[in-house]
Amino acid sequence: AQSVAQPEDQVNVAEGNPLTVKCTYSVSGNPYLFWYVQYPNRGLQFLLKYITGDNLVKGSYGFEAEFNKSQTSFHLKKPSALVSDSALYFCAVRDIGYGNNRLAFGKGNQVVVIP
Amino acid sequence: NAGVTQTPKFQVLKTGQSMTLQCAQDMNHEYMSWYRQDPGMGLRLIHYSVGAGITDQGEVPNGYNVSRSTTEDFPLRLLSAAPSQTSVYFCASSSRDRGSYEQYFGPGTRLTVT
Repeated sequence: AQSVAQPEDQVNVAEGNPLTVKCTYSVSGNPYLFWYVQYPNRGLQFLLKYITGDNLVKGSYGFEAEFNKSQTSFHLKKPSALVSDSALYFCAVRDIGYGNNRLAFGKGNQVVVIP
Repeated sequence: NAGVTQTPKFQVLKTGQSMTLQCAQDMNHEYMSWYRQDPGMGLRLIHYSVGAGITDQGEVPNGYNVSRSTTEDFPLRLLSAAPSQTSVYFCASSSRDRGSYEQYFGPGTRLTVT
């Protein structure tokens, strides 16, 4: 089965510093990978995805992610963190099956940006 | 476009009661799904549907039923609520167009079973 792992529970970063949220994946075949963000008491919002093509994917709110096939990683990055980036971040991988878009999620990373 | 809507936002049930969580989308998406979110466990798939009249089980289906009579609606039924079903429930939808795949989530229903 497809799966992703987010090894850190919480990431603390000072405002203005680079932010990295880690994700590794395990799939059979080519991976379809996603990042979502959840603000308090809200639903999940799509940030970006990797389907094919360039290994560096740009998404919403200044976020980007780097797909690394040899390391089976898809880390989320932002060059300069804002206090408003404090949220819960989920990595997900699309399950492989005819006619469905099932996603398998990681457990999430709490990001705290310190003013 | 309202996107994905869910009702109610909050619900408290007693053990053994039944209820239906409503989900609707106005994007004409073929694919809809229900997840539950529990602390430290991410989101786990309960049931999903690839189109009207077609549903299938996800990772944690026990205690839940679904049906999909229209493209727009995908209700989740709890037949006999248990404290273990205390959670936040999210509905999501996505297109089956090649290159899409990203899911759009509703705001969630926070359910407490006492």
